[in-house]
Amino acid sequence: KAGVTQTPRYLIKTRGQQVTLSCSPISGHRSVSWYQQTPGQGLQFLFEYFSETQRNKGNFPGRFSGRQFSNSRSEMNVSTLELGDSALYLCASSAGDTDTQYFGPGTRLTVL
Amino acid sequence: GQQLNQSPQSMFIQEGEDVSMNCTSSSIFNTWLWYKQEPGEGPVLLIALYKAGELTSNGRLTAQFGITRKDSFLNISASIPSDVGIYFCAGRSNSGYALNFGKGTSLLVTP
Repeated sequence: KAGVTQTPRYLIKTRGQQVTLSCSPISGHRSVSWYQQTPGQGLQFLFEYFSETQRNKGNFPGRFSGRQFSNSRSEMNVSTLELGDSALYLCASSAGDTDTQYFGPGTRLTVL
Repeated sequence: GQQLNQSPQSMFIQEGEDVSMNCTSSSIFNTWLWYKQEPGEGPVLLIALYKAGELTSNGRLTAQFGITRKDSFLNISASIPSDVGIYFCAGRSNSGYALNFGKGTSLLVTP
């Protein structure tokens, strides 16, 4: 089976812009979670989608949003980018809500 | 989410040595996971633990789910240069879906 894929792998934006990141889960997986990874804060949970519904949300501002499509692919959007949003954004998929999560390679976002 | 206490923060060892790292939490978890991350890549799952006291191996790696359900450790035996990377523990409690991560143990292995 193909693993979790994320596009794009690298992205450079400027403050105030918005960005959309994409994640395709492992075939058959219906749950997609998003995490932000920074050197200072480590890996932090953003939100989780299952069957097109957001089921869980981390402690991030409303500028961070996401959605999931009927084929389980998910997108994450960050509006009004700030310098502190520079991070590696990781997507993880799992078959069910408590199953093991498998991560994609991440999207490296740099905000200038 | 809750931050786990992972130690040591970094290790610099010689090839062939054994490595041990651990993770503790102030809360009870019902799942412990260990991941390895290499530069420019996402974390790769090494071992998953689902029961208190469970001891699971994956090749040269062995991990245990602590009896108190508040800790876990990972051992790597006979380390080799390709073991280099950052190892993360992650736990999930009954009250939530999200994984809580440790800050990672950076492992360097010299030939």
